[in-house]
Amino acid sequence: GNSVTQMEGPVTLSEEAFLTINCTYTATGYPSLFWYVQYPGEGLQLLLKATKADDKGSNKGFEATYRKETTSFHLEKGSVQVSDSAVYFCALHLSGGYNKLIFGAGTRLAVHP
Amino acid sequence: EAGVAQSPRYKIIEKRQSVAFWCNPISGHATLYWYQQILGQGPKLLIQFQNNGVVDDSQLPKDRFSAERLKGVDSTLKIQPAKLEDSAVYLCASSQRQGSNYGYTFGSGTRLTVV
Repeated sequence: GNSVTQMEGPVTLSEEAFLTINCTYTATGYPSLFWYVQYPGEGLQLLLKATKADDKGSNKGFEATYRKETTSFHLEKGSVQVSDSAVYFCALHLSGGYNKLIFGAGTRLAVHP
Repeated sequence: EAGVAQSPRYKIIEKRQSVAFWCNPISGHATLYWYQQILGQGPKLLIQFQNNGVVDDSQLPKDRFSAERLKGVDSTLKIQPAKLEDSAVYLCASSQRQGSNYGYTFGSGTRLTVV
């Protein structure tokens, strides 16, 4: 079936460290891929997306590249800040008769000064 | 533009009681979703509406959960009777239309605790 697998957290980093959160997917067809972020006490916010293979999504210094050959969409940031502390969700969306957003379990990131 | 509004923010009930959650989507958004997010897990779709019609309710436990979207605007999700395993955050989201190019906007959610 269709699913998303993320690396388990929590991920704990010092400020200005490099961040990678791994995400792989299983899907029938050609999904669009997303990263959502959930700050404490807030709803989910779209961070970035990619709709086809080799597309790179980017926003607020975060990047992720849609890799069809490895079915991956890893999230990266070159220098994290304390304000990036949140839970990050990888998700896929398939159109047509299976039109819904499927989420991974989420990865909590904690950044310390 | 105003975001997706949900109420209440928090609710504590005893098992076997009933509870209702309310969602007001972004004006003009035709598609509305209810997700259940259990602690430590990703959100899971419960039901999807297109205007006032149900598109997908395959994951909705219909013996105890119900939802409606009268007039294609506001929506209500009800649980009756509640079980301990229903403790979760219930998220409402809306989008202009179905499809991935139309981003989902999520509300802040209702945190339900069943004791």
